[in-house]
Amino acid sequence: QQQVKQSPQSLIVQKGGIPIINCAYENTAFDYFPWYQQFPGKGPALLIAIRPDVSEKKEGRFTISFNKSAKQFSLHIMDSQPGDSATYFCAAYNFNKFYFGSGTKLNVKP
Amino acid sequence: DAGVIQSPRHEVTEMGQEVTLRCKPISGHDYLFWYRQTMMRGLELLIYFNNNVPIDDSGMPEDRFSAKMPNASFSTLKIQPSEPRDSAVYFCASSFFAYEQFFGPGTRLTVL
Repeated sequence: QQQVKQSPQSLIVQKGGIPIINCAYENTAFDYFPWYQQFPGKGPALLIAIRPDVSEKKEGRFTISFNKSAKQFSLHIMDSQPGDSATYFCAAYNFNKFYFGSGTKLNVKP
Repeated sequence: DAGVIQSPRHEVTEMGQEVTLRCKPISGHDYLFWYRQTMMRGLELLIYFNNNVPIDDSGMPEDRFSAKMPNASFSTLKIQPSEPRDSAVYFCASSFFAYEQFFGPGTRLTVL
């Protein structure tokens, strides 16, 4: 049973575009929602995270939007750059365990 | 800080052989996690430790897998005997707060 559902599986945008990656969850006990960025051959790295009592969080060009009633959250990358090309994972956390989405492979074309 | 260190970075072995993966967590972190990443199943938590004690091993796929943490600066994940379906990238992560996990570079395991 997949605890966190992520879409799309892959995404291609032009430089300067705003890719949006979506995640949905069922378990209302989750209390922390991070996004991880993974480059080929590297481990996932924490990008930005949000708690369910906040509807939006921005860090630089990265924004998380959180809809608690819909049990959905999304990552927006403003002014995307070719260097943002990577795989992005959403996750949900409770009781010391993360449940990861299946990942979105983002390609930002120059 | 050097971050989480994993060795080896790549391992190629034959079916039936024993494989040992190693992890050195970030100093001061008291949580350590082992994950497996495959195309089919994504990132899966195998086991995690708190203060060197295994807390949850419900993700360990079978008895062929075992993990130990003899001290705060070292952990191993062992597969014996290995099978081709164990081929994956294995990540170790550590944290001070369980939700702020820092991942190592991973070990790519290929079982022929």
